[in-house]
Amino acid sequence: DAKTTQPPSMDCAEGRAANLPCNHSTISGNEYVYWYRQIHSQGPQYIIHGLKNNETNEMASLIITEDRKSSTLILPHATLRDTAVYYCIVRAFPISSGSARQLTFGSGTQLTVLP
Amino acid sequence: DAGVTQSPTHLIKTRGQQVTLRCSPKSGHDTVSWYQQALGQGPQFIFQYYEEEERQRGNFPDRFSGHQFPNYSSELNVNALLLGDSALYLCASIITGQSNEQFFGPGTRLTVL
Repeated sequence: DAKTTQPPSMDCAEGRAANLPCNHSTISGNEYVYWYRQIHSQGPQYIIHGLKNNETNEMASLIITEDRKSSTLILPHATLRDTAVYYCIVRAFPISSGSARQLTFGSGTQLTVLP
Repeated sequence: DAGVTQSPTHLIKTRGQQVTLRCSPKSGHDTVSWYQQALGQGPQFIFQYYEEEERQRGNFPDRFSGHQFPNYSSELNVNALLLGDSALYLCASIITGQSNEQFFGPGTRLTVL
């Protein structure tokens, strides 16, 4: 799986958009970009994933550049409860039973939402 | 619908002892993965079980072993505990080949003294 690079920490004011960047310059054509977050002392939580098109769900938006070498996770209206470590992971989609792929976590970005 | 559950929540052991951690996957999920998360680091993949067999393994010694039962629940066993085994152990479940999203449990905090 391709390696990802994220800033170690970021701050965001409550109610503002939080934009978390991720570089994945060695991504290959069959690899998706996944985002998970981990609130202190809890297990990681899936946020969103995408291949090449921008994606949006109830939690966040994912913007992937046209060359797919970087992406940005956007939390449109950050709240204090969004304070967490955010992990950007690149991984190929599982193609058959028994081949669910492991997640390779880096160090992530510690997002602190300030009141 | 209960999510992924793990037991115990916390555990304290001494060096050289053995420990067994337990995981029940989310309902309908057939694949279980285990991760080790040291303080201040991201989770590291240990191994994955599907159809009661170990399918993938990360870079962990054979002191780490596991098992999956017919009801898809799983155990992680660690023998000859070292101080460096102190960590949060996370279990994640998924429906193999169908899902994008791995569901994680709250973890078991293991402290080795």
